[in-house]
Amino acid sequence: KAGVTQTPRYLIKTRGQQVTLSCSPISGHRSVSWYQQTPGQGLQFLFEYFSETQRNKGNFPGRFSGRQFSNSRSEMNVSTLELGDSALYLCASSSGDSSYNEQFFGPGTRLTVL
Amino acid sequence: AQSVAQPEDQVNVAEGNPLTVKCTYSVSGNPYLFWYVQYPNRGLQFLLKYITGDNLVKGSYGFEAEFNKSQTSFHLKKPSALVSDSALYFCAVRDMRSGNTPLVFGKGTRLSVIA
Repeated sequence: KAGVTQTPRYLIKTRGQQVTLSCSPISGHRSVSWYQQTPGQGLQFLFEYFSETQRNKGNFPGRFSGRQFSNSRSEMNVSTLELGDSALYLCASSSGDSSYNEQFFGPGTRLTVL
Repeated sequence: AQSVAQPEDQVNVAEGNPLTVKCTYSVSGNPYLFWYVQYPNRGLQFLLKYITGDNLVKGSYGFEAEFNKSQTSFHLKKPSALVSDSALYFCAVRDMRSGNTPLVFGKGTRLSVIA
């Protein structure tokens, strides 16, 4: 099976712009989670989707939004970019609805905001 | 609220020596516990998990972890470290009792294995 794929891998934007990141989960996986990774804060949870429904949301401002499509692919959007949004954004998928299922991570999208 | 602590930012060990990466957790119910590893410029890779049952869990690449409920710990161990084990290690927890709560990660421990 192909792993989790994320596009693009690298992105450079300027303050005030918006950005959309894409994630394709492992085939058959219905749960997709997004995380922001920075050197200072570690891994911060953004959202979790299951079967097109947002199941959990982390403590991020409303500029961060996401969605999941019927084929389980997911996108996240960040509007009005700030310098502090520079980070590695990781997507992870898991196979079912159970909390004990491990997550499989994509390689991430490295976002740089100038 | 659930939380994870990895008390060491950095662990250095000589190749061939045993290694331990520490993790303690806090949940209101019983935990699901996970270890992940991240190599440079890569996403996280799953190593092992504890759900229930035997307190000693064996995982990928010769790693194992011991669940200790009284000490609320889930330390990662390997009997003989390799230089290729050098990476960033994350412990994560989910509260079994709280339904669909998100996975909470520790801040990570950088392991450096010296030849």
